[in-house]
Amino acid sequence: GENVEQHPSTLSVQEGDSAVIKCTYSDSASNYFPWYKQELGKRPQLIIDIRSNVGEKKDQRIAVTLNKTAKHFSLHITETQPEDSAVYFCAASGGAQKLVFGQGTRLTINP
Amino acid sequence: GAGVSQSPSNKVTEKGKDVELRCDPISGHTALYWYRQSLGQGLEFLIYFQGNSAPDKSGLPSDRFSAERTGGSVSTLTIQRTQQEDSAVYLCASSLLGQKGQYFGPGTRLTVL
Repeated sequence: GENVEQHPSTLSVQEGDSAVIKCTYSDSASNYFPWYKQELGKRPQLIIDIRSNVGEKKDQRIAVTLNKTAKHFSLHITETQPEDSAVYFCAASGGAQKLVFGQGTRLTINP
Repeated sequence: GAGVSQSPSNKVTEKGKDVELRCDPISGHTALYWYRQSLGQGLEFLIYFQGNSAPDKSGLPSDRFSAERTGGSVSTLTIQRTQQEDSAVYLCASSLLGQKGQYFGPGTRLTVL
């Protein structure tokens, strides 16, 4: 079955700098890759997603890139702000609808 | 509109007791999912319902876990003879038919003493 690896597990950046979180997946049939943000004690929230027919997608300060050949995808956050501090999860899904999640990255934005 | 709701928000039970967790999906969402999140961990898939199709139960960790979805809407996750390792946050999500984006409820924090 699908396996998703996420790195780094923790990331600390200065406010205003960029943050990059990377994930790799194992199943070449996976075709949908969402990213979720989870603040402490809150539910995971879908922040951006990408399908396998697209190489990059951007929404304001966040962007996701996908490399199908290498089977990896990344989340990019530019001009980071304190409210970006949270745990971020990547996930992958293929023909089966279930999402397989990475282990999460705890992002801390230092003022 | 209203999002996914779950009840109870917290449940404390004694080892060996049965528990029922409830999920109300977003109105009109035909797909419903249950996940489990242990402390500081990622989300683990448990079970998936889509319309009238047979559910995908491939993630259920043991036969103590079961789930049903009545009338294509509300779902109940039942854990029988709870064990301490069942302690976790149980999250429900729903999505529209043909759409991949899943929207999560606030979760039920289960503590087994």
